Amino acid sequence: KAGVTQTPRYLIKTRGQQVTLSCSPISGHRSVSWYQQTPGQGLQFLFEYFSETQRNKGNFPGRFSGRQFSNSRSEMNVSTLELGDSALYLCASSLERGDYTFGSGTRLTVV
Amino acid sequence: AQSVTQLGSHVSVSEGALVLLRCNYSSSVPPYLFWYVQYPNQGLQLLLKYTSAATLVKGINGFEAEFKKSETSFHLTKPSAHMSDAAEYFCAVSLTGGYQKVTFGTGTKLQVIP
Repeated sequence: KAGVTQTPRYLIKTRGQQVTLSCSPISGHRSVSWYQQTPGQGLQFLFEYFSETQRNKGNFPGRFSGRQFSNSRSEMNVSTLELGDSALYLCASSLERGDYTFGSGTRLTVV
Repeated sequence: AQSVTQLGSHVSVSEGALVLLRCNYSSSVPPYLFWYVQYPNQGLQLLLKYTSAATLVKGINGFEAEFKKSETSFHLTKPSAHMSDAAEYFCAVSLTGGYQKVTFGTGTKLQVIP
């Protein structure tokens, strides 16, 4: 069965721009979580969506937002990009809490 | 709030030697605990999970972990390291009940020396 698909894999953006990342979960998984991974901070929780509702949110500024569609696909958006937003953004889908299947991530570079 | 602490950001072992990666958790209620592995340029893969059943949990690739409530620990072990075990390992915790997020540790990079 297909895994979690994240697109694009790599992205280069300029400061001040905005970006949208996409995540398609495993079929049947209704929970989608997003994490930001950086060498200095490790894995930081962004948000979790379940059946189109945001169920949990991490401590990120309002520039970070997300949504989930009726087919469970999820997008996250970052507006007014800053250099510090450069990171690997990971999406994970699950049936049970913590039993995540991760995508390969989107590596965002802000220049 | 829950948290995990991984002792040692880098661990080196010889091929064939015991692998021991340490994780201590902090939780106000019984937690769920997880170990994940990440290979370069990939996402994380679940190795094993503890959800209050057996305290000794066996996972994939020969790894296992033991939940010790008295020590608030959930260390990951493997009797004999393989070169293919070189990766970064993450311990994670989630509270039981309700819709709780999963919190990850800062990771331990395992180097296997031939």
